[in-house]
Amino acid sequence: QKEVEQDPGPLSVPEGAIVSLNCTYSNSAFQYFMWYRQYSRKGPELLMYTYSSGNKEDGRFTAQVDKSSKYISLFIRDSQPSDSATYLCAMSAGSSNTGKLIFGQGTTLQVKP
Amino acid sequence: EAQVTQNPRYLITVTGKKLTVTCSQNMNHEYMSWYRQDPGLGLRQIYYSMNVEVTDKGDVPEGYKVSRKEKRNFPLILESPSPNQTSLYFCASRGGRDNSPLHFGNGTRLTVT
Repeated sequence: QKEVEQDPGPLSVPEGAIVSLNCTYSNSAFQYFMWYRQYSRKGPELLMYTYSSGNKEDGRFTAQVDKSSKYISLFIRDSQPSDSATYLCAMSAGSSNTGKLIFGQGTTLQVKP
Repeated sequence: EAQVTQNPRYLITVTGKKLTVTCSQNMNHEYMSWYRQDPGLGLRQIYYSMNVEVTDKGDVPEGYKVSRKEKRNFPLILESPSPNQTSLYFCASRGGRDNSPLHFGNGTRLTVT
């Protein structure tokens, strides 16, 4: 069983839709949770970063962490064609494990005009 | 501009011919790491370095070498490449705190025939 599970998709939605992307994990020591966005032929870039449980909002993006369920989500409101990319969740236990990041497989999202 | 620079972006080579992929960062980061990205497997860590002259194996180190003689550079060396090393490679760096997010380069697409 992988430490981090993420549905690879692909996920196709119409412009303006609300998108929900999710990851589950098995290691209860994870404390730091990140979402990276990766455009074609580019490296991953940090989109959202949260510590422990709770919500974080940044513009059209909201990250949620539910440590009791070992489940994290990324919501995209009013999705745009420019949001078409692969979204990778990543998490780490912090200093207890040299800060090693464990990545999900990535979900490919296509937003159609 | 703060960035991680990898070269070359694309490389086609033959089995057994030694090659080096260079990585340089201009953010004075202590931590640097190499990943490979394969369909269905996501990002997997090859090697990482906590600081100059300090390197350690990641999850898939076989067939690779690294060195960290200077803080800004972290080259990836394939002494005798094989076709199963055909992949997309990413170099990444972060600051000294274990929970700092990673900054990625734009990748090197390697094909070994």
